[in-house]
Amino acid sequence: EAGVAQSPRYKIIEKRQSVAFWCNPISGHATLYWYQQILGQGPKLLIQFQNNGVVDDSQLPKDRFSAERLKGVDSTLKIQPAKLEDSAVYLCASSLEANQPQHFGDGTRLSIL
Amino acid sequence: LAKTTQPISMDSYEGQEVNITCSHNNIATNDYITWYQQFPSQGPRFIIQGYKTKVTNEVASLFIPADRKSSTLSLPRVSLSDTAVYYCLVGDVGDKIIFGKGTRLHILP
Repeated sequence: EAGVAQSPRYKIIEKRQSVAFWCNPISGHATLYWYQQILGQGPKLLIQFQNNGVVDDSQLPKDRFSAERLKGVDSTLKIQPAKLEDSAVYLCASSLEANQPQHFGDGTRLSIL
Repeated sequence: LAKTTQPISMDSYEGQEVNITCSHNNIATNDYITWYQQFPSQGPRFIIQGYKTKVTNEVASLFIPADRKSSTLSLPRVSLSDTAVYYCLVGDVGDKIIFGKGTRLHILP
């Protein structure tokens, strides 16, 4: 089966600019996750979708981050405006249902100048 | 939500069996234990999941004692390619998903 697809693989922007990441989960997976992983740390959950509804977005900085999963399939994560501390790898994962094993993409590495 | 504690790092040699222990003293009745492996520049990869006793698959075994307050991931006959970060997660449906800092396993030739 095809894995979780993410794009772009790398992105470099200046602070205060905006950026968007795209994720295509494994077909049939109802649950989709976005994580932020700062160098040397474990992934931090930003938002969890069940189909097209939000299950948990308690750690999403909502003043600058937004995410959507229209039609319960693909998802986009946006940052506007970006700050230096947003430099990280943004990982997307999907699972058949919540608490089932998650399948991760290889992430987007974001560098803020 | 059960907090997990793992060693920050471990070293071992090729061909050895490696055991990584995770402590989760406050594990709840319905919580499952899940382990992931992460290589540099890649997303985490699911290794194994269990609830109690022993679970084995083609890459690892997971040992869970009767009190479930800890679990041990066992990697048989490791190779250099097993050098990675290993994460232990504990939780049930609806629980907040928390990855700790994981255990950095370094396999030496």
